Amino acid sequence: GENVEQHPSTLSVQEGDSAVIKCTYSDSASNYFPWYKQELGKGPQLIIDIRSNVGEKKDQRIAVTLNKTAKHFSLHITETQPEDSAVYFCAASSRNEKLTFGTGTRLTIIP
Amino acid sequence: DVKVTQSSRYLVKRTGEKVFLECVQDMDHENMFWYRQDPGLGLRLIYFSYDVKMKEKGDIPEGYSVSREKKERFSLILESASTNQTSMYLCASSSPKGSYEQYFGPGTRLTVT
Repeated sequence: GENVEQHPSTLSVQEGDSAVIKCTYSDSASNYFPWYKQELGKGPQLIIDIRSNVGEKKDQRIAVTLNKTAKHFSLHITETQPEDSAVYFCAASSRNEKLTFGTGTRLTIIP
Repeated sequence: DVKVTQSSRYLVKRTGEKVFLECVQDMDHENMFWYRQDPGLGLRLIYFSYDVKMKEKGDIPEGYSVSREKKERFSLILESASTNQTSMYLCASSSPKGSYEQYFGPGTRLTVT
């Protein structure tokens, strides 16, 4: 089955700086790569996703890049703000109903 | 607004008890999921249902069963709770007609003593 590795497990950045979280996956058939954000006391929520026919996708301060050859994808957050502090999960899927999640990154924004 | 609700936020049960975790979604979604979340392990899929009375094992189904008698409700059952089932349990739903985005409930923190 699919295996998704996520790094780093914790990340602290100064407010206003950029944050990058990286994931690798094992199944070359995977074609859907979402990112979820989990705030304290809440369930994860989708923030951005990318499909395998696209190399990069951007939504305001967040962007995701995908390298299918290397089987890795990354989340980029620019101009970080305190409300970006949360746990972030990457995921991969070859069947769109089922996701395999990474182990999560706890992002802390330092004011 | 999309909503997934879980019956309890916190639950404490004793070893050997039968435990029911309930999840209800109001979006008419076909797919429903149960995950457990543990520090350093991320979210791991326990069971998945793609229609009423249909279910599929996820990555860690041992010790769990599920029931889906109605489209909006998906129950996770721990037949005989054990201490290693102490965890955060998350329910989610999605629709194959939409974007496949999974909508999560707030989670149930289960402690088995």
